[in-house]
Order: sequence, then structure tokens, then C-alpha cells
Amino acid sequence: ETGVTQSPTHLIKTRGQQVTLRCSSQSGHNTVSWYQQALGQGPQFIFQYYREEENGRGNFPPRFSGLQFPNYSSELNVNALELDDSALYLCASSGSSGWTWEQFFGPGTRLTVL
Amino acid sequence: AQSVTQLGSHVSVSEGALVLLRCNYSSSVPPYLFWYVQYPNQGLQLLLKYTTGATLVKGINGFEAEFKKSETSFHLTKPSAHMSDAAEYFCAVTDNAGGTSYGKLTFGQGTILTVHP
Repeated sequence: ETGVTQSPTHLIKTRGQQVTLRCSSQSGHNTVSWYQQALGQGPQFIFQYYREEENGRGNFPPRFSGLQFPNYSSELNVNALELDDSALYLCASSGSSGWTWEQFFGPGTRLTVL
Repeated sequence: AQSVTQLGSHVSVSEGALVLLRCNYSSSVPPYLFWYVQYPNQGLQLLLKYTTGATLVKGINGFEAEFKKSETSFHLTKPSAHMSDAAEYFCAVTDNAGGTSYGKLTFGQGTILTVHP
């Protein structure tokens, strides 16, 4: 069974650019959640996708957007990057319904905005 | 709104000593509670979770936690620390509202555990 994978591992961008982060969910999981973890902080919920639809959103501006594909993999897109967007971005997948509370996390993508 | 407070951003113990990491939560509905561990440059790994039933839950690597509703607490313990336990630990809560609830996790700020010989 393959776990949650994320790409790329690290990314450096400049302010104002756009970035796309990718996540492959664990086999059999149809729900993907994205979290932002700033240095020294706990993860903050960005949004969740369930069966290709956004299923909940945290307190993040619209320049944070996402997609989920038919194979349940997901993308996180961030437009007009700001310095404060520098963080570890974590993807988590969960099981066969939006009800499953156990979320399995990937290793994260470290984004640095200069 | 839910929230989690972890008391103590850094905890240091000797190898073999008791580990106690504190977590208090706020939730308007019965909560589901979790402890995750994060090793440097890695994602989060679930240590244990409380959903319903027995309030003392056992997890991996010898950790356990007790849900105390009256104290709104979910403290993590391990009787004897090992050097490999050095990591950052996060307490998290999600609601048990049912229906359209989607299990958004709200995390605490984290506690860095240092284990010295």
C-alpha cells in the first residue's frame, strides 16, 4: 500500500509568482486535506476536497485554490505569492468517506518565497 | 469554534523519565482528539486518537493519553522516555458533528520534546 506522496519536496519562488503543489492520496482514499505549517507553528487547515468537490475551507484568501482529480490526487495552487506564504505545506488523505477521522499525512512540500 | 492549547512549547526529560505533554481543548460539540508526532523534515504521524468509548487510549511507541471531559484535557504520557522520542508533538481536535462535518483538524502550537542521556 502506497502512502501519501507530495511533490516537489522543496521549492523556491519569488514574491508575486504562482506555485502548484501536488499530492497523491493513499490507495483507497477519496478525501484530501491541505494544511499550511509556518515555522514554529502547528498546521493550519487550508481546505479539503471530497470526491472532486471542495468540502470545507479554512481562513485563507481566494488566491489559495485547489483541485482534486478523478483518481483523487490533488493540487494546491497559490497565486501572487507573498513572503508569509513561506511554509511547509502538508497534504493528508482520509478513507472511503468524508467521515473518516484518521488523516494520513504526506512528508510535505517546503515552500520558500523570496 | 474549536481550539487547542498545548502548555509548554519545550519539554526536556532524561532518558527513562516520565514524559507528560499537556493539551487542553475547546469544542462546542463532543470532540475527537488526536496526538501526532513530527520528526525533523517529515510529515505528521498519528500516535493515538480518542473518538468514543474508553477514555484512556493507547497508541504506538508506548504512548497513551486520557480524555478528561470535565477538565477538557487530553494529556499525552509515556512512562519511560527513549532517545528516539525526541521530536515535536501536536495535539489536534476535530468535531463530531456528523452530517456534513468534514473532519477539519485544529492543531495546537506543538511541544518540542528533548530527551537527554
